Amino acid sequence: DAGITQSPRYKITETGRQVTLMCHQTWSHSYMFWYRQDLGHGLRLIYYSAAADITDKGEVPDGYVVSRSKTENFPLTLESATRSQTSVYFCASSLFRTVKETQYFGPGTRLLVL
Amino acid sequence: AQKITQTQPGMFVQEKEAVTLDCTYDTSDPSYGLFWYKQPSSGEMIFLIYQGSYDQQNATEGRYSLNFQKARKSANLVISASQLGDSAMYFCAMREFAGANSKLTFGKGITLSVRP
Repeated sequence: DAGITQSPRYKITETGRQVTLMCHQTWSHSYMFWYRQDLGHGLRLIYYSAAADITDKGEVPDGYVVSRSKTENFPLTLESATRSQTSVYFCASSLFRTVKETQYFGPGTRLLVL
Repeated sequence: AQKITQTQPGMFVQEKEAVTLDCTYDTSDPSYGLFWYKQPSSGEMIFLIYQGSYDQQNATEGRYSLNFQKARKSANLVISASQLGDSAMYFCAMREFAGANSKLTFGKGITLSVRP
């Protein structure tokens, strides 16, 4: 059972380049999320998706684009990377939109923008 | 105002002793859920325990228990019989029922170090 995977696990890029972080889950969960983790900020929601072709902004969406053509995939694209986007990115998923539904996280992608 | 507050500096505990990690929250929604996650140095986020706002009893999961004080809006994590492997960052998070997106709001985390 693969669960939720992210690729690449580590990425170094340069300012201005486009970068896509991949997220894939095998549970057929409806909901998927992208968070970024920065020291002193905890985890902050970038974008989320309630189902295929349904996405919406979170707390810090600027500079990011998402798509969800298939239930199992939720790629995150940095259209023109900036140094402030250096961070650890986590993808997560959950089955339902209920209060008690646990979100399960991928292993994270460490992104360094030079 | 912050919805989840974790203000403790780095915490230290002796192996085999109990430790309490504090979390306070702010919401006007009567229906909400509180979660604790562990993040070891390897980086993954591991779900530990859940407490619902309508749950009558405090949640327990093995060595983890949640001291839920609804009136005070606190949801402290208690780890009993600490082990070296408990050394990690711990995050408190909340989901409100009225939230249209099922998102979790996280605190900034607490670092726990277990001493042998």
